[in-house]
Amino acid sequence: GAVVSQHPSWVICKSGTSVKIECRSLDFQATTMFWYRQFPKQSLMLMATSNEGSKATYEQGVEKDKFLINHASLTLSTLTVTSAHPEDSSFYICSARWQGSTEQQYFGPGTRLTVT
Amino acid sequence: GQNIDQPTEMTATEGAIVQINCTYQTSGFNGLFWYQQHAGEAPTFLSYNVLDGLEEKGRFSSFLSRSKGYSYLLLKELQMKDSASYLCAVMDSNYQLIWGAGTKLIIKP
Repeated sequence: GAVVSQHPSWVICKSGTSVKIECRSLDFQATTMFWYRQFPKQSLMLMATSNEGSKATYEQGVEKDKFLINHASLTLSTLTVTSAHPEDSSFYICSARWQGSTEQQYFGPGTRLTVT
Repeated sequence: GQNIDQPTEMTATEGAIVQINCTYQTSGFNGLFWYQQHAGEAPTFLSYNVLDGLEEKGRFSSFLSRSKGYSYLLLKELQMKDSASYLCAVMDSNYQLIWGAGTKLIIKP
């Protein structure tokens, strides 16, 4: 149990375009989902915390108008990278936490974004 | 500020034992996690410690000392597939995970 999927697993887009990444909890309800970014040879960097039905909470330095997060249901959160630039190229990972749980986060497989 | 320290890289031999240390300073403590991450993949959960002591799970064990702000991950009978990065993360008083930079473990035959 506790499976989290992400789609797409990799995407290449042109500079200036927007890309949407989906994160789904397949067999549990996730009231909270987290979006991370990871650059090569670096650790995970939390971008934002997303609670179902409310606005996401962004970490300092993360542009909320550039990284749009929507958590419309208990099983789906989306991250849209708007007007992508080459420096946005990274590995984006989502994780989800069980409803009522304050402990373990379950990670999706990640999405490799390359902006050309 | 909040800080998680772990070695950047370690090398060990197949079949041997290796211990990866993690020290932390966080605002509050609601548990410490160890994750394994292979290159190009998302982290996978290894262990969770919230009380002092040793938790054993197969070839992997994790130890916690809250008074010392210290944990270690012990890997026994190392296999080549154990080559990966090992991430230490602490859940703070806001139930937010604070991540270490990870330890890259290289296993040699």
